[in-house]
Amino acid sequence: QVQLVESGGGVVQPGGSLRLSCAASGFIFSNYGMHWARQAPGKGLEWVAFIRYDGNNKYYADSVKGRFTISRDNSKNTVSLQMNSLRPEDMAVYYCTKSGAPYYDNSGSGWQDYWGRGTVVTASS
Amino acid sequence: EIVMTQSPATLSVSPGEGATLSCRASQSVGSNLAWYQQKPGQAPRLLISGASTRATGIPARFSGSGSGTEFTLAISSLQSEDFAVYYCQQYSNWPPLTFGGGTKVEIK
Repeated sequence: QVQLVESGGGVVQPGGSLRLSCAASGFIFSNYGMHWARQAPGKGLEWVAFIRYDGNNKYYADSVKGRFTISRDNSKNTVSLQMNSLRPEDMAVYYCTKSGAPYYDNSGSGWQDYWGRGTVVTASS
Repeated sequence: EIVMTQSPATLSVSPGEGATLSCRASQSVGSNLAWYQQKPGQAPRLLISGASTRATGIPARFSGSGSGTEFTLAISSLQSEDFAVYYCQQYSNWPPLTFGGGTKVEIK
């Protein structure tokens, strides 16, 4: 079965950096685009970033562009999110999600059929 | 950016009754619309993609309809496990992918 397991969350000072990772299993990882989404405490869902199945295209929300970098390693079935210059508004649960369709399917990569349990990024006081 | 608006924000329903949730897009998204369910402390779960196609394992009491700018998620005969927050998301014109603000379905 599909599993997405995030790691790397923690307490960070504003202005600091953190690297999130997601280990994927149960599907042919190299056939699917992958996303990161987040949810601030008590708030709704926000899409953060996407990386194409082969890593050649990456998209970001305006709110994180220039500060966050998404990457993947198809040999290790992992996707990562490097977060720099963190702001208070970046504090959230970060979810790794799998595109619902493989790259060769016309339904596109935008919908997400599996979500990890999330990893929490919290600001230090 | 396509703005997704969900209504109502909160829906109070008695178990066994039906519920209708609405989602409106600021411009046409065709049928590129997904619905997700999120329970407290859990990750979202895909219910519907392509506006009306139920995801694997989703009960038939969940149905999606609509196209263009107006969409509906209907839940017939609500079960205790259906009380949750529901989000719609467009994937027609992205980036960015955009979600609605959510509808909380609570027990009346």
